[in-house]
Amino acid sequence: GNSVTQMEGPVTLSEEAFLTINCTYTATGYPSLFWYVQYPGEGLQLLLKATKADDKGSNKGFEATYRKETTSFHLEKGSVQVSDSAVYFCALSDRSTGNQFYFGTGTSLTVIP
Amino acid sequence: DAGITQSPRHKVTETGTPVTLRCHQTENHRYMYWYRQDPGHGLRLIHYSYGVKDTDKGEVSDGYSVSRSKTEDFLLTLESATSSQTSVYFCAISEWGDRSTYNEQFFGPGTRLTVL
Repeated sequence: GNSVTQMEGPVTLSEEAFLTINCTYTATGYPSLFWYVQYPGEGLQLLLKATKADDKGSNKGFEATYRKETTSFHLEKGSVQVSDSAVYFCALSDRSTGNQFYFGTGTSLTVIP
Repeated sequence: DAGITQSPRHKVTETGTPVTLRCHQTENHRYMYWYRQDPGHGLRLIHYSYGVKDTDKGEVSDGYSVSRSKTEDFLLTLESATSSQTSVYFCAISEWGDRSTYNEQFFGPGTRLTVL
């Protein structure tokens, strides 16, 4: 079946530190991969996506590369800011299961000045 | 931002009472979803719809029913609310893109439901 596993949090970093949040997936078909971000009291917002192997998604300084050989989609940012404090969700959609999405459990990030 | 609203945004109810949550979209997207979000579980799919009057169950559908009589509205009903259904509920929408790509899901602001 389809599933997503992401690193457990919470993660606490100092401002300007390097961020990595690990995400691995299992899929029966050819998934598209996503990172969503959730700020306190809000719904999820798409951060970036990649639709096929070796694609790199990027947005607001965040990047993730679709690695089929390691079934991974790790989120990275070179220099985090206090405003990046949020919960980050890795997700996949698989064309073999229609338009259903499968989410990881989320990783909480706190950036301290 | 995608036009998705949820109502009510907050609700407190008592065990055994029926509750209906509404999701309304102005994007004319075909797919609509209901999730619940609980600490340690991430988002779990309750039900989804792939068109008017076309719905299917997700992984945590017990105790919930849905209806979609119009493209823009997707209702989630708790027939007899229990304390285990205290959660934050999110509606999402998506559209079926070209088969070589998938469009993302867009999320509503959420409904915080407390069952006493």
